[in-house]
Amino acid sequence: GAGVSQSPSNKVTEKGKDVELRCDPISGHTALYWYRQSLGQGLEFLIYFQGNSAPDKSGLPSDRFSAERTGGSVSTLTIQRTQQEDSAVYLCASSLAISSSYEQYFGPGTRLTVT
Amino acid sequence: GENVEQHPSTLSVQEGDSAVIKCTYSDSASNYFPWYKQELGKRPQLIIDIRSNVGEKKDQRIAVTLNKTAKHFSLHITETQPEDSAVYFCAASRSGGSYIPTFGRGTSLIVHP
Repeated sequence: GAGVSQSPSNKVTEKGKDVELRCDPISGHTALYWYRQSLGQGLEFLIYFQGNSAPDKSGLPSDRFSAERTGGSVSTLTIQRTQQEDSAVYLCASSLAISSSYEQYFGPGTRLTVT
Repeated sequence: GENVEQHPSTLSVQEGDSAVIKCTYSDSASNYFPWYKQELGKRPQLIIDIRSNVGEKKDQRIAVTLNKTAKHFSLHITETQPEDSAVYFCAASRSGGSYIPTFGRGTSLIVHP
């Protein structure tokens, strides 16, 4: 079946512009995560959505970052007034997040370059 | 919150040798420990996981061991092959409620042919 998809695959933007990154999770997966991965670095947790619960925003690095998940499916990560340090690969993952399966399925990522 | 330390950051082995990656965690309530493999330019993928009710799990050339008392777990790869070259991430989490795994910083494994 279809896996997690993300768009765009690459985004180049000028410093100060806003960007929107999209994630389409696997159908039926109630949990959705956003991570940031800088070159050669680990997975930095940003935000977590689970069903209709309030999202866990504890990983967002600043108030320039926000995310929403509409209808329990598609999610959009928005970065306002982008800075050069925002350049990274942004990964989305989804999961059933139930006792029988906690496996996270990652998307291909969006490579963001801020010039 | 949970803190996961992963060592080494880089591991270089010859084809056919074994490779061991170690992780420690801080939250004694953590009970689920997955390992993800990320090949260059690709997405992370789950390769094996272990729950706290077992001490070891094997899948072909890959095994994971867990020591709950010492709060550490390890990934063992035997008979390494060049295609095992990748970055490996360990993670720890509690099951139930909000499932947000804490990841280690990753180990870059290089297998020389």
